Amino acid sequence: GENVEQHPSTLSVQEGDSAVIKCTYSDSASNYFPWYKQELGKRPQLIIDIRSNVGEKKDQRIAVTLNKTAKHFSLHITETQPEDSAVYFCAASPGSARQLTFGSGTQLTVLP
Amino acid sequence: IAGITQAPTSQILAAGRRMTLRCTQDMRHNAMYWYRQDLGLGLRLIHYSNTAGTTGKGEVPDGYSVSRANTDDFPLTLASAVPSQTSVYFCASRGTGSDTQYFGPGTRLTVL
Repeated sequence: GENVEQHPSTLSVQEGDSAVIKCTYSDSASNYFPWYKQELGKRPQLIIDIRSNVGEKKDQRIAVTLNKTAKHFSLHITETQPEDSAVYFCAASPGSARQLTFGSGTQLTVLP
Repeated sequence: IAGITQAPTSQILAAGRRMTLRCTQDMRHNAMYWYRQDLGLGLRLIHYSNTAGTTGKGEVPDGYSVSRANTDDFPLTLASAVPSQTSVYFCASRGTGSDTQYFGPGTRLTVL
């Protein structure tokens, strides 16, 4: 089955700096890659996603890039703010089954 | 509109006891999922249902069972709880034709 690895497990950045979280996946059939943000004690919430026919997608300060050849995708957050502090999860879905395999998460801390 | 609800919010359970976690959605989503979340392991799929009347096993199904008698409800049962089932359990749903999974608020279960 699919295996998703996520790095780093923890990341601290100064407010205003950029943060990058990287994920690799194993199943070449995967074609949907969402990113979820989970604040402490809350449910995971989708922040951005990308499909395999697209190389990059942006939504304000958040962007995701996908390299299908290398089987990796990354989350980029620019101009970080304290409210960006949370755990971020990447996931991959191998097509028609639409089941998600999640990475182990990255605890992002934005220091004021 | 409530979205997805889960009950109970938290529960402490003696080992060997039977427990059912409830999940209800009012979005008429066909697909529903149960995940467990453990520190450092991300979200792991326990069972899923692509439509009412069908269920399937995920990555970590042992010790758990599910049923899907109708579109709205997807209960998860622990027949005889063990301490290793201590975790936070999230239910999620996905609409037909969409890849996006929406999560419930979670149930924190402690098995002693």
